Amino acid sequence: EPEVTQTPSHQVTQMGQEVILRCVPISNHLYFYWYRQILGQKVEFLVSFYNNEISEKSEIFDDQFSVERPDGSNFTLKIRSTKLEDSAMYFCASSERSSLASKNIQYFGAGTRLSVL
Amino acid sequence: RKEVEQDPGPFNVPEGATVAFNCTYSNSASQSFFWYRQDCRKEPKLLMSVYSSGNEDGRFTAQLNRASQYISLLIRDSKLSDSATYLCVVNEGGTYKYIFGTGTRLKVLA
Repeated sequence: EPEVTQTPSHQVTQMGQEVILRCVPISNHLYFYWYRQILGQKVEFLVSFYNNEISEKSEIFDDQFSVERPDGSNFTLKIRSTKLEDSAMYFCASSERSSLASKNIQYFGAGTRLSVL
Repeated sequence: RKEVEQDPGPFNVPEGATVAFNCTYSNSASQSFFWYRQDCRKEPKLLMSVYSSGNEDGRFTAQLNRASQYISLLIRDSKLSDSATYLCVVNEGGTYKYIFGTGTRLKVLA
């Protein structure tokens, strides 16, 4: 069964450092998403991406965050200068259809646990 | 009012029991609705989409009530393996944004 792959599974970084979280969406999917989940809290939407552009972003997704699809398979989330409060699980998701269509199911990767020290 | 609201639980039920969860949403323009399950420290996994007419998948039944802005999930004949957190997910109408509820924790006891 096709799946969304995320690397690394765990990233430890020092405050102020840049991190790049990587995702390989399901191959025929066109819509990509990043979410985060702080330990013990709910899953929070960060950004959606389609056709090499951000479609939607949340208030959390400020100037410290950026996303990119550098090639035909990878989808990355960069945090420029990490803060302690960025420590969370980051999930990538992809879907075949737009959220504006019916049956727009998202499939999630296993996540990257980011620990900022 | 929170965008998507769920009772956090936990719901502790014996094996074989029937259990129901509700979820309310605030945006009347919301178009798509889903139930995901999440095991501890794992990714959300789709349980089922929720259609206007209601839908069933084995022991699981989902209902949507647009007038009252809530969705429900019914689990019949609970199994130990059903123990997880059940996440209600709503797509804000006309946007690419998906809103998750805080989740309802279910523990099925032997």
